[in-house]
Amino acid sequence: NAGVTQTPKFRVLKTGQSMTLLCAQDMNHEYMYWYRQDPGMGLRLIHYSVGEGTTAKGEVPDGYNVSRLKKQNFLLGLESAAPSQTSVYFCASSPGTGGRQPQHFGDGTRLSIL
Amino acid sequence: AQSVTQLDSQVPVFEEAPVELRCNYSSSVSVYLFWYVQYPNQGLQLLLKYLSGSTLVKGINGFEAEFNKSQTSFHLRKPSVHISDTAEYFCAVSGLSGGYNKLIFGAGTRLAVHP
Repeated sequence: NAGVTQTPKFRVLKTGQSMTLLCAQDMNHEYMYWYRQDPGMGLRLIHYSVGEGTTAKGEVPDGYNVSRLKKQNFLLGLESAAPSQTSVYFCASSPGTGGRQPQHFGDGTRLSIL
Repeated sequence: AQSVTQLDSQVPVFEEAPVELRCNYSSSVSVYLFWYVQYPNQGLQLLLKYLSGSTLVKGINGFEAEFNKSQTSFHLRKPSVHISDTAEYFCAVSGLSGGYNKLIFGAGTRLAVHP
């Protein structure tokens, strides 16, 4: 039972490079989310999706793009990485029933931008 | 707007002692409340949740939390901690906002259990 799987687990980039983080869930959840975690700030929502083919901005969307072409996958892209994007990125999913259902999290991607 | 405040950034405690991690929230609508735990180099795992009903909620690993509407609090407790409880704990409030399941996290409390 994999749950939510994130790849890669670690990555180091140079400023200006691009990359894509992949999130896959096998629970048939409608909603998927991307968060970033920074020390002392908890988790902040970057983008989210309420279903296949839909995406929306969260709290801190600048510098990121997302796509949800398949229900089970949610991709987070950095077009031109900046040092301020050094963080731990978490993907989550939920059935999407209006807040009662908890979100299920992946193990995170640790991203360093030099 | 909803917000969550975790009153302690770090809590040191000795093994087998009781512990309370404090969480206050603000919301103008009915809320659902959660505690998550994050072990080193791992993602967040659900400890417990309050949706409705009994204000005392029991979770995994011997943790429990009490919902207090008048004080807008949702404190997490454990009567006797173990070394393995060393982790970061996040309080979160959820509710419909803009048509989706919005989850607002506190900044986290790092629990350090010492032998």
